Amino acid sequence: DAGITQSPRHKVTETGTPVTLRCHQTENHRYMYWYRQDPGHGLRLIHYSYGVKDTDKGEVSDGYSVSRSKTEDFLLTLESATSSQTSVYFCAISFDRDYEQYFGPGTRLTVT
Amino acid sequence: AQTVTQSQPEMSVQEAETVTLSCTYDTSESDYYLFWYKQPPSRQMILVIRQEAYKQQNATENRFSVNFQKAAKSFSLKISDSQLGDAAMYFCAYRRATGNQFYFGTGTSLTVIP
Repeated sequence: DAGITQSPRHKVTETGTPVTLRCHQTENHRYMYWYRQDPGHGLRLIHYSYGVKDTDKGEVSDGYSVSRSKTEDFLLTLESATSSQTSVYFCAISFDRDYEQYFGPGTRLTVT
Repeated sequence: AQTVTQSQPEMSVQEAETVTLSCTYDTSESDYYLFWYKQPPSRQMILVIRQEAYKQQNATENRFSVNFQKAAKSFSLKISDSQLGDAAMYFCAYRRATGNQFYFGTGTSLTVIP
């Protein structure tokens, strides 16, 4: 299994509070991704990174920001959480763009 | 944006039998990649199989194989000799050859009946 961890694994927070989710990899892969998974939508890309300090938006980036200051860590921040951001969040990594993605275990976020 | 459609929200199969999961996609690109991912109850996404659009030969991986019909934009997954451990959600995914973004279908929940 690819060495990918996500923290926290579960979080409940209140509307309007900031939340940061962390993805950590031990594979030294170049690409890292954040997805959200919702019923009826499958997985949708939020943001991705193709190197340290190199990030770009995905399909559903509004309300989210990311940072990657080290190869192994990719942070997803919800500046002011809303109930519509209740979801399961997955981090993924890939060696390079043409390679398949390996996913972390997911984080279940509930915004009340 | 590209779309990926999985028209079977749920499927079931008897243990040791064969089942086929359907996936269609919409694209104007000629070069791209297609994937099947498995998500068991543990929620972790696991790559099952990958197909490059420029390859005419269908990919196989042990008991898993695909039927890739490029003209029809169809990419079905066949699971042979189904096992209880195959029970999971299965997601079809698409990526342009020159792009970074994956597009996923909504998934098919597979139940394996002992």
